[in-house]
Amino acid sequence: GQQVKQSSPSLTVQEGGISILNCDYENDMFDYFAWYKKYPDNSPTLLISVRSNVDKREDGRLTVFLNKSGKHFSLHITASQPEDTAVYLCAAGMATGGNNKLTFGQGTVLSVIP
Amino acid sequence: GGIITQTPKFLIGQEGQKLTLKCQQNFNHDTMYWYRQDSGKGLRLIYYSITENDLQKGDLSEGYDASREKKSSFSLTVTSAQKNEMAVFLCASGGYAEQFFGPGTRLTVL
Repeated sequence: GQQVKQSSPSLTVQEGGISILNCDYENDMFDYFAWYKKYPDNSPTLLISVRSNVDKREDGRLTVFLNKSGKHFSLHITASQPEDTAVYLCAAGMATGGNNKLTFGQGTVLSVIP
Repeated sequence: GGIITQTPKFLIGQEGQKLTLKCQQNFNHDTMYWYRQDSGKGLRLIYYSITENDLQKGDLSEGYDASREKKSSFSLTVTSAQKNEMAVFLCASGGYAEQFFGPGTRLTVL
């Protein structure tokens, strides 16, 4: 089965609003969680990540929230801009004993409309 | 910084054909990966390699072979191309903390 799931294939947000992207995982051995961003015809690039020893990490307009008991993490983008329009892929892995592997979700297409 | 190159950029094959995709990285990373990207399915791991001559199966290894000839290069072979198959294959290197992706090879099977 799908170990990392993004239940919303798409999300549309008004410019200036908050975009909230969600990700659920099954393997409670995962201790590393990340969001990658992908523009059309480009490759994914790392946006922000968090280890399981914290439940929140902020970086400018981006915040990752981690809910370990719920096996859920989310990405919040405040003051969303049209240039935030892209595919967002969540990923989870194990920092140790995981063979350097990441498991990706299916992706959510974020559209920020002016 | 470093770069990942993938060849070819576009690959058109016939049903049943064996097709090979190549990837080179100059990050000096130990671990390299091959993913398949399909619309609505995200990135699915086909094979990865944690060091030269090592091979580890991902979730989607059936129908593929891989070869890690040296630290900087990792090849993927589609053993028998399926008619009407279309996908983008992404090579990456790095680790769990960050993976750097190549530009992709777009496969079309006629």
